[in-house]
Amino acid sequence: QKEVEQNSGPLSVPEGAIASLNCTYSDRGSQSFFWYRQYSGKSPELIMFIYSNGDKEDGRFTAQLNKASQYVSLLIRDSQPSDSATYLCAVNIRNDYKLSFGAGTTVTVRA
Amino acid sequence: EAQVTQNPRYLITVTGKKLTVTCSQNMNHEYMSWYRQDPGLGLRQIYYSMNVEVTDKGDVPEGYKVSRKEKRNFPLILESPSPNQTSLYFCASSLFQGRPYEQYFGPGTRLTVT
Repeated sequence: QKEVEQNSGPLSVPEGAIASLNCTYSDRGSQSFFWYRQYSGKSPELIMFIYSNGDKEDGRFTAQLNKASQYVSLLIRDSQPSDSATYLCAVNIRNDYKLSFGAGTTVTVRA
Repeated sequence: EAQVTQNPRYLITVTGKKLTVTCSQNMNHEYMSWYRQDPGLGLRQIYYSMNVEVTDKGDVPEGYKVSRKEKRNFPLILESPSPNQTSLYFCASSLFQGRPYEQYFGPGTRLTVT
């Protein structure tokens, strides 16, 4: 079982809709959770981080963490064509200093 | 400007010829890390460092070496590159207070080994 798994996509949404991205992780004791956006040919850039159960909102982005169910999700509201990218979920596994990344979900926002 | 720099950005080399990819950050971050990115496999951590002279293996360390003699620099060394090390490499840095925090990535180095 992979440490971090994401829905493989690709995910296509119309402009203005909500894009929902999911990520599950294997280690129940994981502490830190990150979402990165990566445009084609570019380096990943941090969008959100979340450490506690619940929701965290930043502009059009909302991260949701449920440690009991071992998943973290990212919602993109009012999706724009500029949101078209690959989204990477990253998890810091408990008692370790490594970061494990999911394979990414590619999102396309249709104008 | 806060940034992570990598050099070179592109490199084509031959099997067995030693090479070094440099990484430097100006944010005084304790934690630095190297990743490789391959299609369908996502980002995989090669090595990481929690501070000067403290390094540890990530998920795919075979064939790579690192050193951390100064806080700002974290070079990646391929002693004898092989074609399966053809990949896109990223260096990243972050604060570290018992665990790594949000990572800031360099622009990437595209390596081709023939």
